[in-house]
Amino acid sequence: QSVLTQPPSVSGAPGQRVTISCTGTDSNIGAGYHVHWYQQLPGTAPKLLLYDTNNRPSGVPDRFSGFKSGASASLAITGLQAEDEADYYCQSYDSSLSRVFGGGTKVTVL
Amino acid sequence: QVQLVESGGGVVQPGRSLRLSCSASGFTFSNYGMHWVRQAPGEGLEWLAFIWYDGSNKYYADSVKGRFTISRDNSGNTLYLQMNSLRAEDTAVYYCARDGSLLEVDYWGQGTRVTVSS
Repeated sequence: QSVLTQPPSVSGAPGQRVTISCTGTDSNIGAGYHVHWYQQLPGTAPKLLLYDTNNRPSGVPDRFSGFKSGASASLAITGLQAEDEADYYCQSYDSSLSRVFGGGTKVTVL
Repeated sequence: QVQLVESGGGVVQPGRSLRLSCSASGFTFSNYGMHWVRQAPGEGLEWLAFIWYDGSNKYYADSVKGRFTISRDNSGNTLYLQMNSLRAEDTAVYYCARDGSLLEVDYWGQGTRVTVSS
């Protein structure tokens, strides 16, 4: 059972917008700690996708964006492309002195 | 460019020990905290351990506390994970990763696979 809760899967047609939610608690996201997102393409290591809610590392397309409100955060992919088919994980810091991840969401491009 | 290369994985019997290594290059290793994160087959990411840039503080997930030990050699740019009393549920791909300035994990290695089986 992951500390941060994500839907197991979302899907959309090419060009559509999909969102992935990430729900935490008052000891992590709700305490004001940063939320980060990772993309894991099939068979590869995770890669940092967004940091501090909505900041993109160099090379990440601007169709990826993030939001945060209270103890929840979300990742949006606009203009969905076939290459976006992957697993996505949210991550934050917990006051128990640990990093915490969501259970991951598989994005399927129909 | 930042490179993290894990090694030391393999097949090990339950109850035995294994030490993983992570060789770092492309950045000043001694300036960064480092993590170990694992991913069991078909499962999500599980954070395991974190060590400060100078090795002075270490933090562990409850699932491995008392069995796993994170350490580092800044002169050799290497991160380690000593795993004792291994269990079948420790079977996973183990990633070493660098800590970012905002508590994110900004770079990941390619992972090394550990299988605990008799």
